Amino acid sequence: QKEVEQDPGPLSVPEGAIVSLNCTYSNSAFQYFMWYRQYSRKGPELLMYTYSSGNKEDGRFTAQVDKSSKYISLFIRDSQPSDSATYLCATAGGTSYGKLTFGQGTILTVHP
Amino acid sequence: DTGVSQDPRHKITKRGQNVTFRCDPISEHNRLYWYRQTLGQGPEFLTYFQNEAQLEKSRLLSDRFSAERPKGSFSTLEIQRTEQGDSAMYLCASRRTSGGRETQYFGPGTRLLVL
Repeated sequence: QKEVEQDPGPLSVPEGAIVSLNCTYSNSAFQYFMWYRQYSRKGPELLMYTYSSGNKEDGRFTAQVDKSSKYISLFIRDSQPSDSATYLCATAGGTSYGKLTFGQGTILTVHP
Repeated sequence: DTGVSQDPRHKITKRGQNVTFRCDPISEHNRLYWYRQTLGQGPEFLTYFQNEAQLEKSRLLSDRFSAERPKGSFSTLEIQRTEQGDSAMYLCASRRTSGGRETQYFGPGTRLLVL
């Protein structure tokens, strides 16, 4: 079993929809939680960063972490075609020297 | 552009050849990471440097792989006797030690195809 599980999708939504992306993880030592966005043939770019449990909002993006259930979520409001990309959840913590453990990535397409 | 650069962006090689990739991190970042990403998967950790010291290596990093960061600035990843299974995107990331944020900035990657 992978340490971070993410539904690969693909997910296709109409423009303006609310998108919910989710991951689960198994290692209780993880304390840092991130969402990266990756466009085709590009490197991942950081979208959201959260430490421990709680919510964080940045514009149309909201990240939620529930450490009790080991569940990570990203919500995208008013989705745009430019949001079409692969979304990767990532975690770090414990004695891992900051190395990131990624989920498989969810492919999102927002169609006009 | 995150400020992390990688060279080359693409590399096609024949099985059995050696290849070397370079990563230039953000200048004030003393931590540098290499990851490998195959199609349809998330990046997987390969190795980590703090300054010039290589502090951790994944079991994915076989004896054919070697990484260096000679002066604590740029890093190289060499693959000897390449195999078709080495075909992947090789990503470099960097971050600062201070601040407590586990925020890594990724380069554009080097896409390797082994024929």
